Amino acid sequence: GAVVSQHPSRVICKSGTSVKIECRSLDFQATTMFWYRQFPKQSLMLMATSNEGSKATYEQGVEKDKFLINHASLTLSTLTVTSAHPEDSSFYICSARIRGGSNEQFFGPGTRLTVL
Amino acid sequence: KNQVEQSPQSLIILEGKNCTLQCNYTVSPFSNLRWYKQDTGRGPVSLTIMTFSENTKSNGRYTATLDADTKQSSLHITASQLSDSASYICVVSRLSGAGSYQLTFGKGTKLSVIP
Repeated sequence: GAVVSQHPSRVICKSGTSVKIECRSLDFQATTMFWYRQFPKQSLMLMATSNEGSKATYEQGVEKDKFLINHASLTLSTLTVTSAHPEDSSFYICSARIRGGSNEQFFGPGTRLTVL
Repeated sequence: KNQVEQSPQSLIILEGKNCTLQCNYTVSPFSNLRWYKQDTGRGPVSLTIMTFSENTKSNGRYTATLDADTKQSSLHITASQLSDSASYICVVSRLSGAGSYQLTFGKGTKLSVIP
């Protein structure tokens, strides 16, 4: 089946530092990857849609300069949280859509970010 | 407004019992509906996917139903196991133009199966 991995699974950082989260499609090529954020007891909220080789499309209210997304290859997208603050602490989940496949998204295991 | 409402918010059942989770949606135009299982601290894993013409779909002990007329779906879990403890999320997909799809997520139902 389609497997999506994320690294790291959890990260703790100091306020003001930047954190990079990687999302990889392990056994398929993904032209489109999605980044979500999930707060406790809340549903997944789409942050941005990332297409390979082009700029990401951000949802309303998501600061593109704070959440930098790079989709450099068909199997890798990265999310960098710049100058992280405690309110950025959340569960970040990526998903990927198979190139040439259906519109189904396959989700990664998530990354727990805690900003002190 | 495109919304997905799930009920109940949380549910506690005894191991071996059955349960049914509900999902109501107002997403339009409808493309498909999926149920996901999300273990604590993990990403969602797909259980079932149903299109407009499908009324029911099973995956082992999980059976999903869809009534596209009333815009309601349910997920029935049979003979629950402790490992079924998780959040179950209803996700509705709509065609948003230019061939792209938009997902609307419910908040999920947190199921706890106790011995």
